[in-house]
Amino acid sequence: NAGVMQNPRHLVRRRGQEARLRCSPMKGHSHVYWYRQLPEEGLKFMVYLQKENIIDESGMPKERFSAEFPKEGPSILRIQQVVRGDSAAYFCASSRLEANTEAFFGQGTRLTVV
Amino acid sequence: DAKTTQPPSMDCAEGRAANLPCNHSTISGNEYVYWYRQIHSQGPQYIIHGLKNNETNEMASLIITEDRKSSTLILPHATLRDTAVYYCIVKSGAGNMLTFGGGTRLMVKP
Repeated sequence: NAGVMQNPRHLVRRRGQEARLRCSPMKGHSHVYWYRQLPEEGLKFMVYLQKENIIDESGMPKERFSAEFPKEGPSILRIQQVVRGDSAAYFCASSRLEANTEAFFGQGTRLTVV
Repeated sequence: DAKTTQPPSMDCAEGRAANLPCNHSTISGNEYVYWYRQIHSQGPQYIIHGLKNNETNEMASLIITEDRKSSTLILPHATLRDTAVYYCIVKSGAGNMLTFGGGTRLMVKP
């Protein structure tokens, strides 16, 4: 059973470009969570999604960031018009539907904005 | 979700048990205690979780006090590869998103 798959592992974008980060959850998992870790800082929750629904986006910046988890295919975190401050590691986690189950993380996408 | 308090850092000798404490004095009855670790810059790794009974798996043991206000994660025979930041997280059932604090940076030394 493959774990949570994130790609690309490393992404370099110039300021003003768009970044698209993909996350395929573990088999049987219907919930996806995105977290951001700025250099030398802790992990911060961004958004929680189920298939075709955003459940909690309280940690998402109000502008330029969006997330989706379509009926088919991976979850996508999109950052438009990237700025240097967006450089960070972005981690995705997935879990089953039931409450109080463990969430498993992918290895992350390291975004560098130049 | 209740707040947790962990020591910022700890050392442990290789081969010895590592006991990582966590205080969660404001925990409520339906909140679970989760432990994760992050090795260097890798994705966080799930270790164990529990509600009130002690739990054990192939990685670690989780000891929760009877009043549930604190817990201890035990790595029975620490190795150099256990060097990581360990996070204790208290969470209720509404969704499975996690709030990470500062964690404990465990250094296992030869």
